[in-house]
Amino acid sequence: GENVEQHPSTLSVQEGDSAVIKCTYSDSASNYFPWYKQELGKRPQLIIDIRSNVGEKKDQRIAVTLNKTAKHFSLHITETQPEDSAVYFCAARISGGSYIPTFGRGTSLIVHP
Amino acid sequence: GAVVSQHPSRVICKSGTSVKIECRSLDFQATTMFWYRQFPKQSLMLMATSNEGSKATYEQGVEKDKFLINHASLTLSTLTVTSAHPEDSSFYICSASGGQANEKLFFGSGTQLSVL
Repeated sequence: GENVEQHPSTLSVQEGDSAVIKCTYSDSASNYFPWYKQELGKRPQLIIDIRSNVGEKKDQRIAVTLNKTAKHFSLHITETQPEDSAVYFCAARISGGSYIPTFGRGTSLIVHP
Repeated sequence: GAVVSQHPSRVICKSGTSVKIECRSLDFQATTMFWYRQFPKQSLMLMATSNEGSKATYEQGVEKDKFLINHASLTLSTLTVTSAHPEDSSFYICSASGGQANEKLFFGSGTQLSVL
C-alpha cells in the first residue's frame, strides 16, 4: 500500500518568513496530492491540491510542487502570518471515490508575530 | 468546495451507552465515505471505508461490532459507537469524496466524544 512521509513534524517561523513542508510517497500509481490545514478542534480544510500531470500550482501565498520521478511534493507558504499557524497534512491517493487516501503525520506550523 | 455536515459536534456520555454520529454530504452525492479517528496532536487514523448500499470495509484492528457503520443513501453515513468506554473517547471525523474527478476529500466538522 501507499506510504506517505511528512517532514518536519514541527516548524517554527517568524511572521513574514517562508515555510516549506515536504512529503514523499511510495506508490507510483498515486496521482492526486492534496494539502489540508487543520486548526485545533476543527475539520481539515483543503487548501491546495495538485494532480500528477502538473509540476507546480500556486494560489496567492500558497504553492505546491510535485516531482513524480522522485515521488515527493512540497507545500510552500510565503509571507507567513500568525493565522497560518495550524497543523498541515499532506496526502496521496489514486483518483476515484473508493481509493483510500493516505495521510502524512502532519506538521505543526507556528508563526511568531 | 462541497459541504459535509457532521452531527453532533460534541457528545458526553456514560460508559456502556451507544452513540450515533451522522455524516451528510449536503450538495453532492458521496458514493464513498471514510471514517477517521484522531487523537490529540496526531494524524488521521482511518477506521473504515463506507460505500453506499454495501457493508463497510474496516481497517485492521478496528472492531466492526464495536463501530457500526451504515451508508444507506448517497448523502448519509452513520457511525455508531456501541457500549462506549472511556478508551473510545476521541475526535471522530467523517469525509466524503466529491469533485469533478471524484478525487477531492471533504471533511465533516468532527465529533468530540467523551465517555465518562
